[in-house]
Amino acid sequence: EAGVAQSPRYKIIEKRQSVAFWCNPISGHATLYWYQQILGQGPKLLIQFQNNGVVDDSQLPKDRFSAERLKGVDSTLKIQPAKLEDSAVYLCASSLGGVGVGYEQYFGPGTRLTVT
Amino acid sequence: DAKTTQPPSMDCAEGRAANLPCNHSTISGNEYVYWYRQIHSQGPQYIIHGLKNNETNEMASLIITEDRKSSTLILPHATLRDTAVYYCIVRVISTGWGSGGGADGLTFGKGTHLIIQP
Repeated sequence: EAGVAQSPRYKIIEKRQSVAFWCNPISGHATLYWYQQILGQGPKLLIQFQNNGVVDDSQLPKDRFSAERLKGVDSTLKIQPAKLEDSAVYLCASSLGGVGVGYEQYFGPGTRLTVT
Repeated sequence: DAKTTQPPSMDCAEGRAANLPCNHSTISGNEYVYWYRQIHSQGPQYIIHGLKNNETNEMASLIITEDRKSSTLILPHATLRDTAVYYCIVRVISTGWGSGGGADGLTFGKGTHLIIQP
């Protein structure tokens, strides 16, 4: 079974530039998550999708971050414009999803973003 | 979700059992205990979860105290590849979609950095 795929693996941009990350979840997984992990900290949830709908985006900085999952499969996370404090690893995860069952989440390798 | 407390780091000799403690004294009755680990430069990996009974799988055992205020993750025969940051997470299982229901993102703390010594 193929895992969660993310690209690119590394990205370096200057502040005020824009950047986009792509995620392809495990086939058949209805739920998709984006997390931000700053160096030395645990991952922090940014947004959760169920199919192509947003379930939770309460911690997404909506003035500069956006995410979409138009066809309920792949997802993109965009930052525009980037700030120095956005330097982090951006992790995508997926799970089978479903009510009443705490399916485990499978994580991709992440995209390491450096903003200079 | 309730907060958890874990020691920032631990050492364990290769081949010995690694016992990682977690305190979750404010856990609610409908919250499960989950463990994930993150090997350097990789995404987190699910290990095990439980509600109140002890659980075992091919990776580890989870011991939850009777009052559910703390738990211990046990790696029975640690290897160098078990060196990682281990996260203890308490999590409510969603019971419905809409109006905030179904939101089940994980809340990670700083975890325990387990170092297996050769």
